[in-house]
Amino acid sequence: AQSVAQPEDQVNVAEGNPLTVKCTYSVSGNPYLFWYVQYPNRGLQFLLKYITGDNLVKGSYGFEAEFNKSQTSFHLKKPSALVSDSALYFCAVRDMGTGGFKTIFGAGTRLFVKA
Amino acid sequence: NAGVMQNPRHLVRRRGQEARLRCSPVKGHSHVYWYRQLPEEGLKFMVYLQKENIIDESGMPKERFSAEFPKEGPSILRIQQVVRGDSAAYFCASSPYGTGNNTEAFFGQGTRLTVV
Repeated sequence: AQSVAQPEDQVNVAEGNPLTVKCTYSVSGNPYLFWYVQYPNRGLQFLLKYITGDNLVKGSYGFEAEFNKSQTSFHLKKPSALVSDSALYFCAVRDMGTGGFKTIFGAGTRLFVKA
Repeated sequence: NAGVMQNPRHLVRRRGQEARLRCSPVKGHSHVYWYRQLPEEGLKFMVYLQKENIIDESGMPKERFSAEFPKEGPSILRIQQVVRGDSAAYFCASSPYGTGNNTEAFFGQGTRLTVV
C-alpha cells in the first residue's frame, strides 16, 4: 500500500535562511510525487511535481524539491525563506504501480518563518 | 476559467440532520476526489468518482456517507444523521484524467461542516 510520511509536524526558520520540509514515501511501483501548500482557511495550492526525468524539480514561489529514489524521499526546499511562506505544506504520492488514480497525502508540516 | 467550486463554504447542522456538500469540478474535468481534513490533521482520502461511477470509495465510512457524480451537475457528498465527529473541512479536487495520468489535482476551497 502506498503511504507518505512527513516526519516533522512543524519547521521553524528565520527569514532569509534556507528551509527544508521533509517527505518520504512508500509505493509498489513508480511514484508520482507532489507538493501542495495550504494557507489558513483556504484550499490546497499546487507547488510542484515529480513525474520523471531530472531529480531536481523547480516549482512555484521559488520552491524546489529533490527526488531521491534510493532514500525514497522528496524533500521540499527553498534557498531563502520569506515570512509569507508560513503555511501548511503537504507532500503527496500517486502509486503508478497500482494504476495511479488515488493520491495519498501526508499529515502536513507547518512552516513558521520568523522575521 | 473557474476553478473547483465548492458550496456552501460553511455549513452548520444539528446532530441527526443531513449534510449535502456540492462540488463543481474545473470545466472539462471528469474525475473528482473528496478528502476530509480534521482540525490540525492532514487530508484523508474518501472517494474517487468519474462521471456516473464510483471508482474507489475505500476511504468512505461504511454508514451514513455517500457520494455521487451525475452526468449533469455537481458532485455531491451526502452525510446522513450527522454526529459531532463529522465536523471537519471537506475538500473536493478534480483532474482531467484518471488512471495513468501525471497531472496534478486542482482543489476547491473546501466546505467547513460544523455539527452542533
